[in-house]
Amino acid sequence: DAKTTQPNSMESNEEEPVHLPCNHSTISGTDYIHWYRQLPSQGPEYVIHGLTSNVNNRMASLAIAEDRKSSTLILHRATLRDAAVYYCILRDLRGGSNYKLTFGKGTLLTVNP
Amino acid sequence: KAGVTQTPRYLIKTRGQQVTLSCSPISGHRSVSWYQQTPGQGLQFLFEYFSETQRNKGNFPGRFSGRQFSNSRSEMNVSTLELGDSALYLCASSPLGTVDNSPLHFGNGTRLTVT
Repeated sequence: DAKTTQPNSMESNEEEPVHLPCNHSTISGTDYIHWYRQLPSQGPEYVIHGLTSNVNNRMASLAIAEDRKSSTLILHRATLRDAAVYYCILRDLRGGSNYKLTFGKGTLLTVNP
Repeated sequence: KAGVTQTPRYLIKTRGQQVTLSCSPISGHRSVSWYQQTPGQGLQFLFEYFSETQRNKGNFPGRFSGRQFSNSRSEMNVSTLELGDSALYLCASSPLGTVDNSPLHFGNGTRLTVT
């Protein structure tokens, strides 16, 4: 299964941009890159996903490298509510036995006031 | 729209007992998947149900089983509980599950403690 590698933790200041990196060097052509985050005492929450092109939504932006072996989740202005564990995962739409959604350990983001 | 509801929120069981956890998906979602989250192993996929059929299964022993009802609600059962089964059990729903790129919607989980 294609795996992802993320830093264990990162720190940011409130209202500053945050760039959360993710390496996925063994990504296959059918893998979508998804990001979720998990706030304390809650289940994971979807943030954004993409395949090849950069993506934007109201929560964040996703920048995908040209070779797709890495991606970066960008929070444009971090708030205290963004403090969470961020997971970068790969979803293979072929499904079947290829569906092994692996979350990994994620990146713990701390936001300082 | 109501979110994914998991009950109970907390559960304490004794080793050797069995437990049943419940998950009500978002209305209209036909896929329900279950995950185990522990500090050491992180989030691990247990299985996925779609239209009352198990469609995918992770690498867990047969003591872990599940089912899905015609209204898409799902239950997960763990028999002969072991101390290592203590974890947060999460379920997630989506419209079509593994063949669809829609986001997964997670509940807040059931915290199971085995003593």
